[in-house]
Amino acid sequence: AQSVSQHNHHVILSEAASLELGCNYSYGGTVNLFWYVQYPGQHLQLLLKYFSGDPLVKGIKGFEAEFIKSKFSFNLRKPSVQWSDTAEYFCAVHNYGQNFVFGPGTRLSVLP
Amino acid sequence: DTAVSQTPKYLVTQMGNDKSIKCEQNLGHDTMYWYKQDSKKFLKIMFSYNNKELIINETVPNRFSPKSPDKAHLNLHINSLELGDSAVYFCASRETATSIEAFFGQGTRLTVV
Repeated sequence: AQSVSQHNHHVILSEAASLELGCNYSYGGTVNLFWYVQYPGQHLQLLLKYFSGDPLVKGIKGFEAEFIKSKFSFNLRKPSVQWSDTAEYFCAVHNYGQNFVFGPGTRLSVLP
Repeated sequence: DTAVSQTPKYLVTQMGNDKSIKCEQNLGHDTMYWYKQDSKKFLKIMFSYNNKELIINETVPNRFSPKSPDKAHLNLHINSLELGDSAVYFCASRETATSIEAFFGQGTRLTVV
């Protein structure tokens, strides 16, 4: 069965710091990869997705992620975080014929 | 218009009761899901329905039963509620042919006392 791991449970940064959240998955076939964000008390919203083409994908709010197939990774990055980026971030994997599998989430706290 | 809507948003009930959570999507998607998010924010899939057919049923207690009257609705019925059922339940939908991502509802926070 496929699984998704996220390297950090809780990340604390100051505003303007750079962010990188790690995500690894365990599935050898073709996958679609996602990052979702959950702001406090809200539902999950799509940040960005990868399913083919350029492995560097850009999402909303200045986020980007890089798919490295050889490392089974899909790390999320942002060059300069803001207080409003405080949220829970979920990496997810979907392979054809299966459901979405979510990672355990990484809580990001940005200090003003 | 809300794409995926769940009702109620909050539900507080006593142990042993039976309750339902409703989900409706107006996106014309053919697959709908129920996820449970526990207190540690871990998301676990419970069910998915494709064209009114249950295609995956993870190892959830049979007290939980999904009901899909039509393609736009996937309701979650829970019998004999237990304290451990307290969580946030998210409905989601997806079009398998054309859309890769899933769209989520706003969640239902269930508290069993």
